[in-house]
Amino acid sequence: DTAVSQTPKYLVTQMGNDKSIKCEQNLGHDTMYWYKQDSKKFLKIMFSYNNKELIINETVPNRFSPKSPDKAHLNLHINSLELGDSAVYFCASSHGTSGTEQYFGPGTRLTVT
Amino acid sequence: AQSVAQPEDQVNVAEGNPLTVKCTYSVSGNPYLFWYVQYPNRGLQFLLKYITGDNLVKGSYGFEAEFNKSQTSFHLKKPSALVSDSALYFCAVRDGQSGTYKYIFGTGTRLKVLA
Repeated sequence: DTAVSQTPKYLVTQMGNDKSIKCEQNLGHDTMYWYKQDSKKFLKIMFSYNNKELIINETVPNRFSPKSPDKAHLNLHINSLELGDSAVYFCASSHGTSGTEQYFGPGTRLTVT
Repeated sequence: AQSVAQPEDQVNVAEGNPLTVKCTYSVSGNPYLFWYVQYPNRGLQFLLKYITGDNLVKGSYGFEAEFNKSQTSFHLKKPSALVSDSALYFCAVRDGQSGTYKYIFGTGTRLKVLA
C-alpha cells in the first residue's frame, strides 16, 4: 500500500563512487520531486518532473542527474560522490503543479565516507 | 522571490495546553501555503493547506492554521497539545501566480510537548 517508496533506505559508499536512488509512486500523480535534507534538517528542492518533463532544475552540481522513465518513477543518479553529498534524500509526488500537497517517501540516508 | 520563515527553532508546550508554531512568508503573487510534519526517520506528512477561501483552515490530527494576509503569516495551532504531537514541523509556500512550480520550505520548528 506504500504510496511513495524509495530504495535503498540506507546507502553507505566511498568518495568517488557512483550510486543511484530509485523512487516509485502508486498514487497516479503526474509530478515528482527530489529534495535534499541536510544534517540541520534544512529541506531543499533539487529537481521536479511533470509528465516526465523536467520543470525544476535547481543549482545542484551536474554530478546529480535525475531520470524519469515514466510518470510513476523518478530516479536520481549521483556521479563521483563527495563527502558533502551525505544527507537524506526525499522523493515526493503531487497531482499537478498548482496548489496541491506533496506526498513524501521515507527518505534515503546517504553516507559518503 | 518567494521565501518563508519559521522564527522559532523549538517550541515547548505542556500537554493539554494550546500550541502555536509560527510561519511568515513572502511572495509577489497569491500564496499557496502548507504545513507538514516530520517524525524521526520518516518522510514529511501533509497536515493542511491554504489556497483560497476561509482564512481558518482545518487539517489532520486536530491542527488548524490561520491565514493572515496583512501580517503575511500562516501560524499552525492546536487547542490542546498531545505528547504524540512532538515532531518537526515545516511551513512551505508557493507563489500561485508566478508560474514557478517551486515550493519553498521553512527551516523547521521542533515541537516538544511535555507530559
